[in-house]
Amino acid sequence: DVQMTQSPSSLSASVGDRVTIACRASQTISNYLNWYQQTPGKAPKLLIFSASTLQSGVPSRFNGSGSGTEFTLTISSLQSEDFATYFCQQSYNTPRTFGQGTRLEIK
Amino acid sequence: QVQLVQSGAEVKKPGASVKVSCKASGYTFTTYAFSWVRQAPGQGLEWMGWIGTYNGVTDYAQKLQGRVIMTTDTSTNTAYMELRSLTSDDTAVYYCVRDPGRFDYWGQGTLVTVSS
Repeated sequence: DVQMTQSPSSLSASVGDRVTIACRASQTISNYLNWYQQTPGKAPKLLIFSASTLQSGVPSRFNGSGSGTEFTLTISSLQSEDFATYFCQQSYNTPRTFGQGTRLEIK
Repeated sequence: QVQLVQSGAEVKKPGASVKVSCKASGYTFTTYAFSWVRQAPGQGLEWMGWIGTYNGVTDYAQKLQGRVIMTTDTSTNTAYMELRSLTSDDTAVYYCVRDPGRFDYWGQGTLVTVSS
């Protein structure tokens, strides 16, 4: 199975900050990497697919990059609604696997 | 618009089975596969398996092999996930997700609680 490791596990930031979350795969997955945002009590929401393609309706302050085994999600200017938990997930093969999540909190 | 509407919360005893439904609307049902994902309280996301809606082909997570069955009914545009021999470790919110290689639409989630 492809292991997905996110860092950091948690992050404190302020509105307006630029933040970056990293995701590493245990083997190469090309660009088969997706990012999700989850707020408490809600289903996850797809933000970015294929490592860097913004899902329709997602604000342009979200940016994904990377390929192979190293990936990043960057939020260029945090808004209050962005404080949530973020997960990466590989769709290179099955079992589909997720990172453990990064909790983004208000400083 | 695309919608996935799941069945309601369930409480089950250890050893019992549960069957969760997921009714899709807003698109052609047989165009996309479904995955099922679960999330135990306070934990991360776990992929349970995948079913092709066109041909019914399934691919289950190894740890759930023999306990999980995924099916679809194309006459009602509904996907089902049945989990057998429940234990307390199966207490979780269960999500159906449309899966065109990414989880682009999610159901609202179904809480399954396993308790004696």
